[in-house]
Amino acid sequence: DIQMTQSPSSLSASVGDRVTITCQASQDVRKSFNWYQQRPGKAPKLLIYDASILETGVPSRFSGSGSGTDFIFTISSLQPEDIATYYCQQYHNLPLTFGGGTKVEIK
Amino acid sequence: EVQLVESGGGLVKPGGSLRLSCAASGFTFSSYTMNWVRQAPGKGLEWVSSVSSSGSDIYYADSVKGRFTISRDNAKNSLFLQMNSLRAEDTAVYFCATNEGYCSNGVCYKTRFDQWGQGTQVTVSS
Repeated sequence: DIQMTQSPSSLSASVGDRVTITCQASQDVRKSFNWYQQRPGKAPKLLIYDASILETGVPSRFSGSGSGTDFIFTISSLQPEDIATYYCQQYHNLPLTFGGGTKVEIK
Repeated sequence: EVQLVESGGGLVKPGGSLRLSCAASGFTFSSYTMNWVRQAPGKGLEWVSSVSSSGSDIYYADSVKGRFTISRDNAKNSLFLQMNSLRAEDTAVYFCATNEGYCSNGVCYKTRFDQWGQGTQVTVSS
């Protein structure tokens, strides 16, 4: 199975800050890689697919980059509504696997 | 508007069974791969199972293989998960989710969980 290691597991930042989350795959997944947002008590929501493509309707302050084993998710200017846990996910091989999540809080 | 509504969750004793359902509307159900993803209390997301648009390709996580069965009824726009021999570690919120891509021969293409239901709680406890 491909292991997804996300870091940090949590972070606290101020409104307007740039926030960066990384995810490392245990083997090459090319660009078979997605990012999700899960607000408290809600279902996850797809933000970015194929490593860097923004899902329709998702604000442009969210972005993703990377390929192979190392991926980066960025919020360019943190907003109060971005309080959530963010998950990475690979689909290069079955089983489909998620990272452990990064909880983002407002300082 | 895409809607996915899960039902069938509840409290069950270890070794018991439950059948989850997911009613879909607002899209062409028969064109999409469908999935179950679960989330244990305070934990992250875990993929459980996928079924192709026609129902011909089915995959399971090792943790549920042999105990859970995924199925779908395209005429009724419905997805199911039959869960047998339930264990305490199966306690979780179970989400159904669409996938525009597909998996074939164990390899997945353009696979992403585009739309999600609100989830149904499954608790396995004596």
